[in-house]
Amino acid sequence: AQSVAQPEDQVNVAEGNPLTVKCTYSVSGNPYLFWYVQYPNRGLQFLLKYITGDNLVKGSYGFEAEFNKSQTSFHLKKPSALVSDSALYFCAVRDDSGAGSYQLTFGKGTKLSVIP
Amino acid sequence: NAGVTQTPKFRVLKTGQSMTLLCAQDMNHEYMYWYRQDPGMGLRLIHYSVGEGTTAKGEVPDGYNVSRLKKQNFLLGLESAAPSQTSVYFCASSYSPSLNTEAFFGQGTRLTVV
Repeated sequence: AQSVAQPEDQVNVAEGNPLTVKCTYSVSGNPYLFWYVQYPNRGLQFLLKYITGDNLVKGSYGFEAEFNKSQTSFHLKKPSALVSDSALYFCAVRDDSGAGSYQLTFGKGTKLSVIP
Repeated sequence: NAGVTQTPKFRVLKTGQSMTLLCAQDMNHEYMYWYRQDPGMGLRLIHYSVGEGTTAKGEVPDGYNVSRLKKQNFLLGLESAAPSQTSVYFCASSYSPSLNTEAFFGQGTRLTVV
């Protein structure tokens, strides 16, 4: 079975500082990994994904994520945080093998607060 | 370009009542999903569909039924609502046949069962 862990319920960072939101995963086959952002009272918006190839993936709004196969991690990063980045962030995984390959499994989410 | 539209946006039900949540997508996506979001639990998959006329159970299917009679619509039904079904429900869709495409989400339905 596939699973995702986001070890931090909340991350606080000062505006202008770099930010990291952590994600680790577990799959049987190869992972397809995604990051989504949710603003208050809104649906989830896609940020970026890793499918194959370059381990550093660039996405929307200046975010990027680094895929590390040996550590089974896919951490979200941004060089300089903005107050407007404050939101709930979800990591998600899809396994390319088995019956679970159609399912997109989400972590519990990490609340990011960027302090002015 | 509407994307994924959920109806209704808010609803209050009494215990034992039934209701249907409608999800419509205009992107010609094959895959559709229903999730529930609860505080501290993230998003949990209720049911999903890989094409018109097909449905499958997700992680938390009990108490819910679904139908996909038309490709663009995915309905989630609660036959006898319970307070434990108080949640925010999200519908999503994604393109097929590739498995590496991202999902697009609706704005959510906030359901309260009293």
